[in-house]
Amino acid sequence: EPEVTQTPSHQVTQMGQEVILRCVPISNHLYFYWYRQILGQKVEFLVSFYNNEISEKSEIFDDQFSVERPDGSNFTLKIRSTKLEDSAMYFCASSETTLSTGFYGYTFGSGTRLTVV
Amino acid sequence: GQQLNQSPQSMFIQEGEDVSMNCTSSSIFNTWLWYKQEPGEGPVLLIALYKAGELTSNGRLTAQFGITRKDSFLNISASIPSDVGIYFCAGLPNTNAGKSTFGDGTTLTVKP
Repeated sequence: EPEVTQTPSHQVTQMGQEVILRCVPISNHLYFYWYRQILGQKVEFLVSFYNNEISEKSEIFDDQFSVERPDGSNFTLKIRSTKLEDSAMYFCASSETTLSTGFYGYTFGSGTRLTVV
Repeated sequence: GQQLNQSPQSMFIQEGEDVSMNCTSSSIFNTWLWYKQEPGEGPVLLIALYKAGELTSNGRLTAQFGITRKDSFLNISASIPSDVGIYFCAGLPNTNAGKSTFGDGTTLTVKP
């Protein structure tokens, strides 16, 4: 079964450093997302991406964050100047369609656990 | 932002029992999704609901999209130990499939 692949599975970084989290969405999916889950809390939407641009973002997704699709397969989340409170699981997800054309739910990756020390 | 209230927060049940959990919102959602998350893994889609009143089953799981569009429930019948995990509801507004709102989750423990 096709899956969303995320690397690394765990990243430890010093406060103030920049990190790049990587994702390979399912190959025929066109919509890509990043979510965050602080330990023990619910999943929170960060950003959605379609046709090489951000389609929607949450209040969490401020200037510290950016996303990019550098080639035909990867989808990255960059977090600049990391803070302790950025420590969380970051999930990438992809979907084949959106509500306007039919939507069948997101497929999530296994996540990257980011620990800021 | 939109809020989802998911209840109960946790459940401890005996194997074989039925389980029911629900989500309510003050806002209308166009789509409801139910996910299960196991430790160290991403959420896995269980059931997607697209129309008010819709009742959908997936094996021992049944979910319904409330007719007011502001609530949904998930039932698990004849629970088994592998049902253990955290169950999340997620609601999507009319305009964009991406900006979903997740509930706080229901942690299910099944005792053999």
